[in-house]
Amino acid sequence: GAGVSQTPSNKVTEKGKYVELRCDPISGHTALYWYRQSLGQGPEFLIYFQGTGAADDSGLPNDRFFAVRPEGSVSTLKIQRTERGDSAVYLCASSLPGAADTQYFGPGTRLTVL
Amino acid sequence: AQRVTQPEKLLSVFKGAPVELKCNYSYSGSPELFWYVQYSRQRLQLLLRHISRESIKGFTADLNKGETSFHLKKPFAQEEDSAMYYCALVGFQGAQKLVFGQGTRLTINP
Repeated sequence: GAGVSQTPSNKVTEKGKYVELRCDPISGHTALYWYRQSLGQGPEFLIYFQGTGAADDSGLPNDRFFAVRPEGSVSTLKIQRTERGDSAVYLCASSLPGAADTQYFGPGTRLTVL
Repeated sequence: AQRVTQPEKLLSVFKGAPVELKCNYSYSGSPELFWYVQYSRQRLQLLLRHISRESIKGFTADLNKGETSFHLKKPFAQEEDSAMYYCALVGFQGAQKLVFGQGTRLTINP
């Protein structure tokens, strides 16, 4: 079946602009995760959804970052007033409920803030 | 605090030589440990987990709770093993997130 998909694959924006990154999880996976991977680093956790609700948003760096999952499937990560330091690859993963040990990753969105 | 440390950013070995990628962790409870791999132009994927005690693509990893280590080993490296390798943990105390190390880029020379 289809894996986790993310769009766009690349996004270039200017400092101060607003961006939205989309994640489409594997069908039937109620758990969804966002991670951020800066250059030369491992992925860092941002937020975890179980169904429609954010069960853990402790990794969001500040209030410019927000994520939604209104129907329990597709999720959108939203970044307001982007800064150059937001440049990174944003990864999405999904899993069956309670199966954080079996996460399937998408290809990522490379965000570049000029 | 949960932390995963991979002390080597780069590791280069010759084909047929043994490989060991180091991973140390800090966690107050009993975490589950994993190795993820990312081949060139591919997405991050699970290589193996300590619970299943299996060998995948010739790789094994043993959890050493005394040394808080989970090193990845392969007795005879192959060129197709060249990739980025990430060690990660999931805590059992309700946290539903992976904590990753910085990663090690493994290059197998012919």
